[in-house]
Amino acid sequence: AQTVTQSQPEMSVQEAETVTLSCTYDTSESDYYLFWYKQPPSRQMILVIRQEAYKQQNATENRFSVNFQKAAKSFSLKISDSQLGDAAMYFCAYRSANNAGNMLTFGGGTRLMVKP
Amino acid sequence: GAVVSQHPSWVICKSGTSVKIECRSLDFQATTMFWYRQFPKQSLMLMATSNEGSKATYEQGVEKDKFLINHASLTLSTLTVTSAHPEDSSFYICSGSGGYSNQPQHFGDGTRLSIL
Repeated sequence: AQTVTQSQPEMSVQEAETVTLSCTYDTSESDYYLFWYKQPPSRQMILVIRQEAYKQQNATENRFSVNFQKAAKSFSLKISDSQLGDAAMYFCAYRSANNAGNMLTFGGGTRLMVKP
Repeated sequence: GAVVSQHPSWVICKSGTSVKIECRSLDFQATTMFWYRQFPKQSLMLMATSNEGSKATYEQGVEKDKFLINHASLTLSTLTVTSAHPEDSSFYICSGSGGYSNQPQHFGDGTRLSIL
């Protein structure tokens, strides 16, 4: 079974600064997807960024980028130019690519606080 | 992007009543629907996976008779909490998948259930 670990329960960052959230996972599969989701106080689950394991290039979405290290099974999220609206819970998630409709396995989450 | 509409967003009811939560995929066919439960300040816990037209697969520890899931069409899945008690109070979230492993899951906005 796959597991996802987020070792930072809470992180804080100064507005306009950069912060990196850590995520490690354990799997025996070679083909899979990794995601970062944001859950603001409204509790909506918002997809921030996604990475296909077969791609070596790190995914980027505007101010959000990942550092995907497949051998180390690490998938960190970097938020640049942090904004107040980035304050939320962030969940790292894993999904197998072997079968359609596979479940997401979530990490325990990291609460990000942004200081003005 | 793809949308999943979840209703109700918040429900308060007396102990012993049954509560139905609906999730509708508005612009895609949700071959698979996932139901999650989330306690305050915790991650999402998968309760069950349902495929259209089939019986749901429940995770270990989730009572099938307590949490009834119906997925009779490609656009509608329901979760019924039967004879609800205060310990069933939680945040419930559904997410739909189109059936291909390279497609992301699309989350509903969640239902806050409070049992008095």
